[in-house]
Amino acid sequence: DGGITQSPKYLFRKEGQNVTLSCEQNLNHDAMYWYRQDPGQGLRLIYYSQIVNDFQKGDIAEGYSVSREKKESFPLTVTSAQKNPTAFYLCASSIGAVNTEAFFGQGTRLTVV
Amino acid sequence: AQTVTQSQPEMSVQEAETVTLSCTYDTSESDYYLFWYKQPPSRQMILVIRQEAYKQQNATENRFSVNFQKAAKSFSLKISDSQLGDAAMYFCAYRGNRDDKIIFGKGTRLHILP
Repeated sequence: DGGITQSPKYLFRKEGQNVTLSCEQNLNHDAMYWYRQDPGQGLRLIYYSQIVNDFQKGDIAEGYSVSREKKESFPLTVTSAQKNPTAFYLCASSIGAVNTEAFFGQGTRLTVV
Repeated sequence: AQTVTQSQPEMSVQEAETVTLSCTYDTSESDYYLFWYKQPPSRQMILVIRQEAYKQQNATENRFSVNFQKAAKSFSLKISDSQLGDAAMYFCAYRGNRDDKIIFGKGTRLHILP
């Protein structure tokens, strides 16, 4: 089955540690995205990538980093510089043509204690 | 920069009735695409409906339809014959014609009253 896989579903980390969230897609999509979801804040764009080895900052990129070494993978690292990292993180992908929608993974709930 | 605004944090509707969720956006582009997504309690994002800005005809998908007013930069979602399974967060989203960036509003939580 084609789709987007985020792992793990729940993640716990101690404050001050970097943590990497995984996102893999087998849809052959060019574009991939990371969003953060907080209550009352909707989905806020962290980073997006339109092609391998290229990515752009979204609205809340500070404290996060990404890489896009392979078309199917777009991992997100939450660094210790992110002041409030506890949130629900959603990864998405899109064919890349502008009239197409994004398809989403099931999300990762990150809790930093 | 483009923005998407959903001014109704929560709404309620009686089962079988009709409800309209509001969305406005701001952009300087003439060509773009608008979407409504549903997020049920499972938190899986599901596309409800899509509208291309160059199309004057409003999109419809079964019980879901939109009222797209390009000049007013308004994109509301109408749900007819509301069902209990429609209870969810609904997000309005914008995608421009220049790159792959997709931005979302803050969402509207819809409650269906039996």
